[in-house]
Amino acid sequence: AQTVTQSQPEMSVQEAETVTLSCTYDTSENNYYLFWYKQPPSRQMILVIRQEAYKQQNATENRFSVNFQKAAKSFSLKISDSQLGDTAMYFCAFVWAPGGSEKLVFGKGTKLTVNP
Amino acid sequence: ETGVTQTPRHLVMGMTNKKSLKCEQHLGHNAMYWYKQSAKKPLELMFVYSLEERVENNSVPSRFSPECPNSSHLFLHLHTLQPEDSALYLCASSREVTENYGYTFGSGTRLTVV
Repeated sequence: AQTVTQSQPEMSVQEAETVTLSCTYDTSENNYYLFWYKQPPSRQMILVIRQEAYKQQNATENRFSVNFQKAAKSFSLKISDSQLGDTAMYFCAFVWAPGGSEKLVFGKGTKLTVNP
Repeated sequence: ETGVTQTPRHLVMGMTNKKSLKCEQHLGHNAMYWYKQSAKKPLELMFVYSLEERVENNSVPSRFSPECPNSSHLFLHLHTLQPEDSALYLCASSREVTENYGYTFGSGTRLTVV
C-alpha cells in the first residue's frame, strides 16, 4: 500500500526567511507523481508544485522548490522568502495510476505559520 | 474561485436528517471526486466518477450516496449520519481519471452531525 508521511504537524517561520517542509512516502511503484497542495483558511486546495518520478531535476515554481530524492523516497518542499500569505496547511500527495485509474494519497498535512 | 463550486459551505444536521451536498464544475473536466477531511487524518478518497459513471467506491458506508447526473455536477446524499461523520467534505475534478496534472478542488462543505 502507498503511504505518505509528513512528520511535522506544525511549523513556523519569520517573514522573508526560508522554511522546508518534509514528506516521505512508501511505494513499490516506479512511475508516479508527487504534489504539494496548499490549503489556506479559505479551505480551497491549491496545487503548489508537481514532480514526475522519472525526472531527476527538482521542480521549481517561483519561491517554491522541491528536493526530490527518489531512492530515499523523500519529497521536501522549500519555501523561500516566506510571505504572510503562505500561512496555510500544506499537504504532500502521491499519485499513481494502476490499470489506468488514478489514485491519490495525501499526507496528514503540516500547518505552516508565517510570522511578521 | 477555483472553478469547482461546493454548496452549502456549512451544514449542521441531525442524525435522522436527510441532506445533500452539491458540487459543480464548468472546467470541462470529465472526472469528479468526493474526499473527506477529518481533523488530524489524511484526506480520504470516497468516490470517483468518470463521465458520470462511478469507477471507485472506497468502502464508504451506505449512508453516503453519491450521484453524478452529468459530468458537471456531483452530489453526495446523506442520511442517518453519525457524529463521527462530521468533517470537511471536498469535491475535486480533473480532466480525466488518469490525469496526473493535479486536481482542482472546491472549498469544501463543513458538515457537523449533531
